[in-house]
Amino acid sequence: DTAVSQTPKYLVTQMGNDKSIKCEQNLGHDTMYWYKQDSKKFLKIMFSYNNKELIINETVPNRFSPKSPDKAHLNLHINSLELGDSAVYFCASSHSGATDTQYFGPGTRLTVL
Amino acid sequence: GQQLNQSPQSMFIQEGEDVSMNCTSSSIFNTWLWYKQEPGEGPVLLIALYKAGELTSNGRLTAQFGITRKDSFLNISASIPSDVGIYFCAGSPNTGNQFYFGTGTSLTVIP
Repeated sequence: DTAVSQTPKYLVTQMGNDKSIKCEQNLGHDTMYWYKQDSKKFLKIMFSYNNKELIINETVPNRFSPKSPDKAHLNLHINSLELGDSAVYFCASSHSGATDTQYFGPGTRLTVL
Repeated sequence: GQQLNQSPQSMFIQEGEDVSMNCTSSSIFNTWLWYKQEPGEGPVLLIALYKAGELTSNGRLTAQFGITRKDSFLNISASIPSDVGIYFCAGSPNTGNQFYFGTGTSLTVIP
């Protein structure tokens, strides 16, 4: 009965590679998010989608491209990975608007070597 | 973007002690949320606050929405070892469309 799930949990890859992280929520929520948590544990929003439509796109390199095939899924594709992309990436979802309570997935720890 | 300041940054306490932490912003917020993050996990919602002055409890946890709407407080009574983790506040400003997260308070409970 997992609410927000992400795969993979861990991702180790070489600089320059392209990788994807998948997120699914079974809460029936309309809005999904991607956050990045750096080594100092600071959580920063990257993207937000409402019903498959992008509503928040913070200052993120265009190597990061979110894709929402339906409102239950929000995937994150990263091109040309760099060392500074190493972090924990969290997916979250909320009922409707971006100011509704958000529920987080377990995170994906990305390590770029 | 906005960043909320949480204090203290870290706490080391004995089991059984009470804990207090707070979160402040430079803007007025409409909603405050408190989350707990354990190692290797995502943040889990503890308490949500929607009105200035509101005081809400969840077991041993009590949170308050500051009357200035620029701060919020979280108290944990009679701490136990499983309270260990990082506690984050998150706020949604009056004119915003997203939540901003605090810098976190790391709690260590010594048995």
